[in-house]
Amino acid sequence: SQQGEEDPQALSIQEGENATMNCSYKTSINNLQWYRQNSGRGLVHLILIRSNEREKHSGRLRVTLDTSKKSSSLLITASRAADTASYFCATDDRAGNMLTFGGGTRLMVKP
Amino acid sequence: NAGVTQTPKFQVLKTGQSMTLQCAQDMNHNSMYWYRQDPGMGLRLIYYSASEGTTDKGEVPNGYNVSRLNKREFSLRLESAAPSQTSVYFCASSEGVGQGSDEQFFGPGTRLTVL
Repeated sequence: SQQGEEDPQALSIQEGENATMNCSYKTSINNLQWYRQNSGRGLVHLILIRSNEREKHSGRLRVTLDTSKKSSSLLITASRAADTASYFCATDDRAGNMLTFGGGTRLMVKP
Repeated sequence: NAGVTQTPKFQVLKTGQSMTLQCAQDMNHNSMYWYRQDPGMGLRLIYYSASEGTTDKGEVPNGYNVSRLNKREFSLRLESAAPSQTSVYFCASSEGVGQGSDEQFFGPGTRLTVL
Protein backbone atom coordinates (compact mmCIF):
# COMPACT_ATOMS: atom_id res chain seq x y z
CA SER A 1 0.00 0.00 0.00
CA GLN A 2 1.15 3.56 -0.64
CA GLN A 3 1.94 5.73 2.34
CA GLY A 4 1.67 9.00 0.44
CA GLU A 5 -1.17 10.00 -1.84
CA GLU A 6 -0.89 13.02 -4.12
CA ASP A 7 -3.72 15.29 -5.09
CA PRO A 8 -4.65 16.17 -7.78
CA GLN A 9 -3.68 13.24 -9.99
CA ALA A 10 -3.32 15.60 -12.94
CA LEU A 11 -2.94 19.36 -13.26
CA SER A 12 -2.82 21.53 -16.37
CA ILE A 13 -1.84 25.21 -16.14
CA GLN A 14 -0.50 28.02 -18.31
CA GLU A 15 3.12 29.09 -18.23
CA GLY A 16 3.65 31.72 -15.55
CA GLU A 17 0.93 30.41 -13.26
CA ASN A 18 1.62 28.74 -9.93
CA ALA A 19 1.12 25.00 -9.45
CA THR A 20 0.18 23.46 -6.11
CA MET A 21 0.29 19.75 -5.39
CA ASN A 22 -0.68 18.07 -2.16
CA CYS A 23 0.42 14.90 -0.43
CA SER A 24 -1.26 13.09 2.43
CA TYR A 25 0.25 10.23 4.40
CA LYS A 26 -0.91 7.85 7.10
CA THR A 27 1.78 7.12 9.67
CA SER A 28 4.42 9.15 11.52
CA ILE A 29 7.46 10.11 9.52
CA ASN A 30 11.00 11.36 10.03
CA ASN A 31 10.95 13.34 6.81
CA LEU A 32 9.10 13.81 3.55
CA GLN A 33 10.68 14.25 0.14
CA TRP A 34 9.48 15.46 -3.23
CA TYR A 35 10.80 14.06 -6.52
CA ARG A 36 10.26 14.96 -10.16
CA GLN A 37 10.11 12.49 -13.05
CA ASN A 38 10.28 13.60 -16.64
CA SER A 39 8.64 11.27 -19.12
CA GLY A 40 10.69 8.11 -19.61
CA ARG A 41 13.35 9.12 -17.09
CA GLY A 42 14.37 8.28 -13.55
CA LEU A 43 13.32 10.34 -10.55
CA VAL A 44 15.21 13.44 -9.52
CA HIS A 45 15.23 14.65 -5.92
CA LEU A 46 13.78 18.14 -5.41
CA ILE A 47 13.57 18.84 -1.71
CA LEU A 48 13.52 17.13 1.70
CA ILE A 49 11.61 18.50 4.67
CA ARG A 50 12.10 17.06 8.16
CA SER A 51 9.26 16.37 10.55
CA ASN A 52 10.30 19.28 12.78
CA GLU A 53 10.22 21.76 9.88
CA ARG A 54 7.10 23.53 8.67
CA GLU A 55 8.27 25.19 5.47
CA LYS A 56 11.22 25.00 3.13
CA HIS A 57 12.20 26.85 -0.03
CA SER A 58 14.44 25.97 -2.95
CA GLY A 59 14.43 28.38 -5.88
CA ARG A 60 10.88 28.46 -7.25
CA LEU A 61 9.83 25.57 -5.02
CA ARG A 62 8.09 25.96 -1.68
CA VAL A 63 7.22 22.94 0.45
CA THR A 64 5.09 22.95 3.57
CA LEU A 65 4.57 20.16 6.08
CA ASP A 66 1.74 19.85 8.58
CA THR A 67 2.41 16.80 10.74
CA SER A 68 -0.84 17.26 12.69
CA LYS A 69 -2.80 16.81 9.44
CA LYS A 70 -0.24 14.38 7.97
CA SER A 71 -0.04 16.43 4.81
CA SER A 72 2.44 18.34 2.68
CA SER A 73 2.17 20.67 -0.28
CA LEU A 74 4.55 21.53 -3.09
CA LEU A 75 4.18 24.93 -4.71
CA ILE A 76 5.96 25.74 -7.96
CA THR A 77 5.84 29.46 -8.66
CA ALA A 78 6.00 31.11 -12.08
CA SER A 79 5.82 27.76 -13.84
CA ARG A 80 7.64 27.05 -17.09
CA ALA A 81 6.99 24.55 -19.87
CA ALA A 82 10.10 22.71 -18.64
CA ASP A 83 8.31 22.02 -15.34
CA THR A 84 6.04 19.58 -17.18
CA ALA A 85 6.63 16.28 -15.38
CA SER A 86 5.21 13.96 -12.75
CA TYR A 87 5.81 14.91 -9.13
CA PHE A 88 5.95 12.36 -6.33
CA CYS A 89 6.04 12.68 -2.58
CA ALA A 90 7.89 10.04 -0.61
CA THR A 91 7.84 9.31 3.09
CA ASP A 92 10.19 7.19 5.14
CA ASP A 93 9.33 4.47 7.60
CA ARG A 94 10.11 5.19 11.24
CA ALA A 95 13.26 3.08 11.05
CA GLY A 96 14.43 5.26 8.18
CA ASN A 97 15.36 2.27 6.05
CA MET A 98 13.16 2.89 3.05
CA LEU A 99 10.92 5.34 1.24
CA THR A 100 7.32 4.83 0.17
CA PHE A 101 6.18 6.79 -2.87
CA GLY A 102 2.76 8.14 -3.69
CA GLY A 103 1.07 7.74 -7.06
CA GLY A 104 2.18 11.16 -8.30
CA THR A 105 0.71 14.31 -9.79
CA ARG A 106 1.10 14.74 -13.54
CA LEU A 107 1.72 18.42 -14.22
CA MET A 108 1.40 19.91 -17.68
CA VAL A 109 2.52 23.50 -18.20
CA LYS A 110 1.28 24.93 -21.49
CA PRO A 111 3.43 27.54 -23.21
CA ASN B 1 30.72 10.78 -12.43
CA ALA B 2 28.08 8.66 -14.14
CA GLY B 3 25.90 8.43 -11.00
CA VAL B 4 23.64 5.37 -11.14
CA THR B 5 23.77 3.28 -14.30
CA GLN B 6 21.48 0.44 -15.31
CA THR B 7 21.68 -2.20 -18.02
CA PRO B 8 19.92 -3.08 -20.19
CA LYS B 9 17.68 -0.14 -21.11
CA PHE B 10 15.04 -2.35 -22.73
CA GLN B 11 14.33 -6.08 -22.57
CA VAL B 12 11.63 -8.37 -23.90
CA LEU B 13 11.27 -11.81 -22.32
CA LYS B 14 8.98 -14.76 -22.83
CA THR B 15 7.10 -16.16 -19.86
CA GLY B 16 9.36 -18.47 -17.89
CA GLN B 17 12.64 -16.97 -19.06
CA SER B 18 15.14 -15.61 -16.58
CA MET B 19 17.27 -12.50 -16.61
CA THR B 20 19.38 -10.26 -14.41
CA LEU B 21 19.14 -6.49 -14.31
CA GLN B 22 22.40 -4.79 -13.49
CA CYS B 23 22.92 -1.62 -11.48
CA ALA B 24 26.08 0.22 -10.51
CA GLN B 25 26.79 3.49 -8.71
CA ASP B 26 30.02 5.44 -8.54
CA MET B 27 29.14 7.75 -5.65
CA ASN B 28 30.47 5.47 -2.89
CA HIS B 29 26.96 5.15 -1.49
CA ASN B 30 26.18 2.56 1.13
CA SER B 31 22.51 1.87 0.46
CA MET B 32 20.98 0.65 -2.79
CA TYR B 33 17.41 -0.06 -3.87
CA TRP B 34 15.34 -1.72 -6.59
CA TYR B 35 11.90 -0.34 -7.45
CA ARG B 36 9.31 -1.14 -10.05
CA GLN B 37 6.95 1.40 -11.59
CA ASP B 38 3.78 0.30 -13.32
CA PRO B 39 2.01 2.63 -15.79
CA GLY B 40 0.57 5.71 -14.13
CA MET B 41 1.72 4.58 -10.70
CA GLY B 42 4.30 5.49 -8.14
CA LEU B 43 7.34 3.40 -7.34
CA ARG B 44 7.14 0.26 -5.24
CA LEU B 45 10.18 -1.06 -3.41
CA ILE B 46 11.20 -4.60 -4.35
CA TYR B 47 14.40 -5.10 -2.33
CA TYR B 48 16.99 -2.90 -0.73
CA SER B 49 20.51 -3.23 0.58
CA ALA B 50 21.32 -1.07 3.58
CA SER B 51 25.04 -1.81 3.28
CA GLU B 52 27.42 -4.07 1.44
CA GLY B 53 26.64 -7.67 2.34
CA THR B 54 23.03 -7.13 3.45
CA THR B 55 19.74 -7.29 1.61
CA ASP B 56 16.13 -6.97 2.77
CA LYS B 57 12.69 -7.35 1.27
CA GLY B 58 10.64 -4.35 0.34
CA GLU B 59 6.94 -4.10 -0.45
CA VAL B 60 6.81 -6.45 -3.48
CA PRO B 61 9.67 -9.02 -3.34
CA ASN B 62 7.88 -12.10 -4.68
CA GLY B 63 9.37 -13.41 -7.92
CA TYR B 64 12.66 -11.55 -7.49
CA ASN B 65 16.08 -12.14 -6.00
CA VAL B 66 18.90 -9.67 -5.46
CA SER B 67 22.64 -9.73 -4.97
CA ARG B 68 24.78 -6.96 -3.52
CA LEU B 69 27.91 -7.95 -5.37
CA ASN B 70 30.08 -5.25 -3.81
CA LYS B 71 29.61 -1.69 -2.64
CA ARG B 72 29.10 -0.45 -6.22
CA GLU B 73 26.83 -3.10 -7.69
CA PHE B 74 23.34 -4.37 -6.88
CA SER B 75 21.65 -6.79 -9.28
CA LEU B 76 18.03 -7.90 -9.57
CA ARG B 77 17.18 -11.36 -10.92
CA LEU B 78 13.93 -12.67 -12.29
CA GLU B 79 14.16 -16.46 -12.15
CA SER B 80 10.98 -17.24 -14.10
CA ALA B 81 9.47 -14.14 -15.65
CA ALA B 82 5.70 -13.63 -15.63
CA PRO B 83 3.57 -11.10 -17.55
CA SER B 84 2.76 -9.43 -14.20
CA GLN B 85 6.43 -8.43 -14.01
CA THR B 86 6.10 -6.21 -17.07
CA SER B 87 7.16 -2.86 -15.68
CA VAL B 88 9.88 -0.23 -15.58
CA TYR B 89 12.58 -1.07 -13.06
CA PHE B 90 14.60 1.62 -11.32
CA CYS B 91 17.73 1.25 -9.24
CA ALA B 92 18.60 3.93 -6.70
CA SER B 93 21.27 4.61 -4.11
CA SER B 94 21.69 6.78 -1.03
CA GLU B 95 24.69 7.77 1.00
CA GLY B 96 24.05 6.53 4.52
CA VAL B 97 23.97 3.00 5.88
CA GLY B 98 20.35 1.93 6.12
CA GLN B 99 19.29 5.51 5.53
CA GLY B 100 16.46 5.21 3.06
CA SER B 101 15.25 8.50 4.44
CA ASP B 102 18.22 10.22 2.76
CA GLU B 103 17.97 11.70 -0.71
CA GLN B 104 17.99 8.89 -3.25
CA PHE B 105 19.69 9.03 -6.63
CA PHE B 106 18.01 7.13 -9.43
CA GLY B 107 19.19 5.38 -12.55
CA PRO B 108 17.48 5.84 -15.93
CA GLY B 109 15.43 2.65 -15.66
CA THR B 110 15.03 -0.66 -17.50
CA ARG B 111 11.82 -1.14 -19.45
CA LEU B 112 10.90 -4.84 -19.25
CA THR B 113 8.13 -6.54 -21.21
CA VAL B 114 7.18 -10.15 -20.49
CA LEU B 115 5.13 -11.81 -23.20
